[in-house]
Amino acid sequence: NAGVTQTPKFQVLKTGQSMTLQCAQDMNHNSMYWYRQDPGMGLRLIYYSASEGTTDKGEVPNGYNVSRLNKREFSLRLESAAPSQTSVYFCASSEGGTGNTIYFGEGSWLTVV
Amino acid sequence: LAKTTQPISMDSYEGQEVNITCSHNNIATNDYITWYQQFPSQGPRFIIQGYKTKVTNEVASLFIPADRKSSTLSLPRVSLSDTAVYYCLVGDKGTGRRALTFGSGTRLQVQP
Repeated sequence: NAGVTQTPKFQVLKTGQSMTLQCAQDMNHNSMYWYRQDPGMGLRLIYYSASEGTTDKGEVPNGYNVSRLNKREFSLRLESAAPSQTSVYFCASSEGGTGNTIYFGEGSWLTVV
Repeated sequence: LAKTTQPISMDSYEGQEVNITCSHNNIATNDYITWYQQFPSQGPRFIIQGYKTKVTNEVASLFIPADRKSSTLSLPRVSLSDTAVYYCLVGDKGTGRRALTFGSGTRLQVQP
C-alpha cells in the first residue's frame, strides 16, 4: 500500500534552474496538496487541488506552479528556483468529502544554491 | 480560514499524561478538529479527529468543549518515542475547497 509517493526525495538546484516535483496517490482521493516546511517551522500550504481539474493558491504560492494531471497525480513546478525556496516539500491527499484526514508523502528535500 | 493557536513547546517525563490545548475561536459549523504528529524528517501523520465532546482511540483522546472554540489532545503515559511536533488542524468536511492550514505546532519533548 504505497499511499502518497513523491519524487525526487533529494535535489540540489542552482539559482534560476527549474524543476518539477512529482506526486501520486493511490487512495482514490479527490483532494491533493503541496506544503513546504522550512527548518524548525510548521507547514505552509503552497497550492491545493480540491478535485481533478481544479487548483487553488494556498498561503505561499509565489514562485510555484502546479498541475493536477489526473486524479492520481499533482505536480509542483519551480520555474526559476531561488535560495528562499530551499525547504522540505510535502505532498498530501485527502478524500475531501467527510472529515479532513490528510495523508502525507515522505517529503522532498530541495536545496537551491 | 480557521486559524489555530497552540503552545510552542512542552516538556514532560516518561509515564506522565500530556495535554496539549489548541484554540480555534473562529471554527465553523462544518469544521472537524484533527491532530497530527510529526517526527523529524517525516511527513505528519494522523493521530485523532473529532467534532464534539470526547473521542478516544488506541493512542490518544481528544476533548472538545460544547462551544468548540478549543480542543485538548491527551496523550496517556507518554514515552520517549512520543517526542515530536503535534499539530492541530481545523477544516471542513465539504468539498475540500477550503484550504487546510497548519499552525506552528507544539514541540513535545519527553525526558527519561
